[in-house]
Amino acid sequence: AQKITQTQPGMFVQEKEAVTLDCTYDTSDPSYGLFWYKQPSSGEMIFLIYQGSYDQQNATEGRYSLNFQKARKSANLVISASQLGDSAMYFCAMREVTNAGKSTFGDGTTLTVKP
Amino acid sequence: DAGITQSPRYKITETGRQVTLMCHQTWSHSYMFWYRQDLGHGLRLIYYSAAADITDKGEVPDGYVVSRSKTENFPLTLESATRSQTSVYFCASSVARSAYEQYFGPGTRLTVT
Repeated sequence: AQKITQTQPGMFVQEKEAVTLDCTYDTSDPSYGLFWYKQPSSGEMIFLIYQGSYDQQNATEGRYSLNFQKARKSANLVISASQLGDSAMYFCAMREVTNAGKSTFGDGTTLTVKP
Repeated sequence: DAGITQSPRYKITETGRQVTLMCHQTWSHSYMFWYRQDLGHGLRLIYYSAAADITDKGEVPDGYVVSRSKTENFPLTLESATRSQTSVYFCASSVARSAYEQYFGPGTRLTVT
């Protein structure tokens, strides 16, 4: 069964500094996609970044990058130059290729950006 | 309106009552999902649907029923609501590829008294 683990319930970062949010995963499917979502206090789910299991390069989207280490089964989110608006809950998620309906989320990490 | 909508946004119901949460998407996405998010936790998959008339269980399906007669609608029914089903329910949709993100509705906050 697929599983996502986020070991940091809460993180603090100073404004303008970089922060890494950890995510490890487990799956028996050799083909899968990894996602990060942001959930601000208003409650909506916002897609941030995607990494495919066969992608050779780490994904980047603006200030977000995904540090993908396939052998270690980790997919950490790096936020550069943190902003106050980055304060939110962040979720790591996975979808398997053989069954794209099976989607698993981690328990999330609450990020607080300090001014 | 384009996108994915959920109704109602807020619902209070009593234990034992049947309640249906509605989800509608305008993109003709083949996949649709229902999740629940309990306070301070991540999302847990209740049911998903790969296409009209094709549904399958997720991680926590007990006590819930789904149907999908049309591509754009995916209602979730709590047959006999229990207090443990108090949660925020999110509907999502995506194209039929695991490489694509899910688009989430705004959520329905359900309280069972």
